[in-house]
Amino acid sequence: QQQVKQSPQSLIVQKGGISIINCAYENTAFDYFPWYQQFPGKGPALLIAIRPDVSEKKEGRFTISFNKSAKQFSLHIMDSQPGDSATYFCAASMAPPAQGGKLIFGQGTELSVKP
Amino acid sequence: EAQVTQNPRYLITVTGKKLTVTCSQNMNHEYMSWYRQDPGLGLRQIYYSMNVEVTDKGDVPEGYKVSRKEKRNFPLILESPSPNQTSLYFCASSYLGTSGGSQETQYFGPGTRLLVL
Repeated sequence: QQQVKQSPQSLIVQKGGISIINCAYENTAFDYFPWYQQFPGKGPALLIAIRPDVSEKKEGRFTISFNKSAKQFSLHIMDSQPGDSATYFCAASMAPPAQGGKLIFGQGTELSVKP
Repeated sequence: EAQVTQNPRYLITVTGKKLTVTCSQNMNHEYMSWYRQDPGLGLRQIYYSMNVEVTDKGDVPEGYKVSRKEKRNFPLILESPSPNQTSLYFCASSYLGTSGGSQETQYFGPGTRLLVL
């Protein structure tokens, strides 16, 4: 019930292509859905986050799509670049961490963008 | 520069030898937390703190202690480390902007890789 399932585990995309990573959750009380980017040897970095009152949020080349009825959300990286090669984590919680929400993370997706 | 610092970055220790991993942030954030990252499991929260002297358990608190005596510092204490605590540890701090919604600002430290023999 507390799980967040992320797929695929790894993804190879050509430069300029669209990278799509999917997450599914079970707990309908989740209210905050962030995505993180992690480069090797570094800590995760908050990339973009969405609340369930909107179906899509875009920041630059990164877009979150949210489907409340299906309990799914996804990250789209448009015009993928080799510099986007990293591990991406989705997460979900009942509130943003600063409001005491406990993040439940997906297992991660290793993205490789080929030149 | 806004940052979360952790020390040490790498640590090899033996079972039962008490250790402390320090975490410090320079952004005056009220919320801080500790996570461990293990292959195939993503990140799991160990403890979090909403403010000075206010701490609570996350999903995997067994074998860990924390304290929050000052706003900027949130040390993670392993009183008697065991091999199953071998992991990569991250400290994070967060702030929710006044506009609310999803305008959370969150920073992670660089990580501490711990090996318990």
